[in-house]
Amino acid sequence: QSALTQPASVSGSPGQSITISCTGTSSDVGGYNYVSWYQQHPGKAPKLMIYEVSNRPSGVPDRFSGSKSGNTASLTISGLQAEDEADYYCSSYTSSSTPYVFGTGTKVTVL
Amino acid sequence: QVQLQESGPGLVKPSQTLSLTCTVSGGSISSGDYYWSWIRQPPGKGLEWIGYIYYSGSTYYNPSLKSRVTISVDTSKNQFSLKLSSVTAADTAVYYCARESGLPDYWGQGTLVTVSS
Repeated sequence: QSALTQPASVSGSPGQSITISCTGTSSDVGGYNYVSWYQQHPGKAPKLMIYEVSNRPSGVPDRFSGSKSGNTASLTISGLQAEDEADYYCSSYTSSSTPYVFGTGTKVTVL
Repeated sequence: QVQLQESGPGLVKPSQTLSLTCTVSGGSISSGDYYWSWIRQPPGKGLEWIGYIYYSGSTYYNPSLKSRVTISVDTSKNQFSLKLSSVTAADTAVYYCARESGLPDYWGQGTLVTVSS
């Protein structure tokens, strides 16, 4: 099972908006509305930020939003803040040999 | 709010068996509402799903690890466990336990397991 493809790094200045892409296939991202996004600060556990493509768990700021088009899902962070600097991973349900697959991860840097 | 906590040895010798336990609090494994997973992350690398278990004992493993993995559950202690046999340096990673309903939502803080003699 191949990992979903994410850009290695994305950066932006405070207050700006950035978008992280997560590209898969019709067997995962494109085939299901079960895409999640996780934020991981160094030495910490991943934290769920978005589930089912565009839903935010309670407590996640509305600066974080998710969407999907075809085989690519996206996470947008609006009004970028210093505390948003972290690694971000997408995940998708898949029809392959495992129930879900993770993305390669994106390091977000706040300039 | 549910919390998960991994425990177990931080150092395992090559060819031996890695054993970890995840203790769940703030929710019951026996509720049947969720699956309970193990996920690992080698240093500086991405996430890899290892497998999950249902409260009934039903399991599903990553085919790439299936021959070496055993996940079990102890509902009386609200715990589930991971055993990974015949470990090598490639199994050095932070091991996370997680609750999932389709995809993981709550994660433990993770525990680093190093395979070295």
